Amino acid sequence: DQQVKQNSPSLSVQEGRISILNCDYTNSMFDYFLWYKKYPAEGPTFLISISSIKDKNEDGRFTVFLNKSAKHLSLHIVPSQPGDSAVYFCAARRGGGADGLTFGKGTHLIIQP
Amino acid sequence: GAVVSQHPSWVICKSGTSVKIECRSLDFQATTMFWYRQFPKQSLMLMATSNEGSKATYEQGVEKDKFLINHASLTLSTLTVTSAHPEDSSFYICSAKSNRGGSNQPQHFGDGTRLSIL
Repeated sequence: DQQVKQNSPSLSVQEGRISILNCDYTNSMFDYFLWYKKYPAEGPTFLISISSIKDKNEDGRFTVFLNKSAKHLSLHIVPSQPGDSAVYFCAARRGGGADGLTFGKGTHLIIQP
Repeated sequence: GAVVSQHPSWVICKSGTSVKIECRSLDFQATTMFWYRQFPKQSLMLMATSNEGSKATYEQGVEKDKFLINHASLTLSTLTVTSAHPEDSSFYICSAKSNRGGSNQPQHFGDGTRLSIL
């Protein structure tokens, strides 16, 4: 049962435009959400996170939005740059003292020049 | 900062062999480290949570006698796949979480180990 879903396996965006990556979850006990970026042959690199008590967190070109009622979060990258081309993973923490993360399958973002 | 080193990056061995994978946090201390596994076209799946100085907590369906975890120090955790068989072939990746800064700290990942059992 996939508790964290990233329904778009890939996304192509023109350089300079906004990239929006989406993530849906089913477990209402998740209390902390993270986005990771992964290049080939490397481990995931932490990008940005958000606590379940917030609805927005911004860090430079990256903003994460959380809609708890819809169990949906999104990552906005603006403006998109060629170096942003990578696989992006959405992850959620179970809460209740359990620190393990549940991951989505990832979205491959391709920034077109 | 927050560098996690994992090695080996690639292992090929015969069925029945035991394989040890090391995970080190290089520039921070980590009371808690995590081991994940990823099969092709699947997401990363948590196998176990490793706590320094105590027994690991395994996820449902993960055999603790098969996947031995040792977390002997605040910077080192090891995963040993005992008597590995072809079905254990997978991508194994560790992560570590810093002790400092409160509970909402991200996990930092190593580069993973590709294990192939012949």
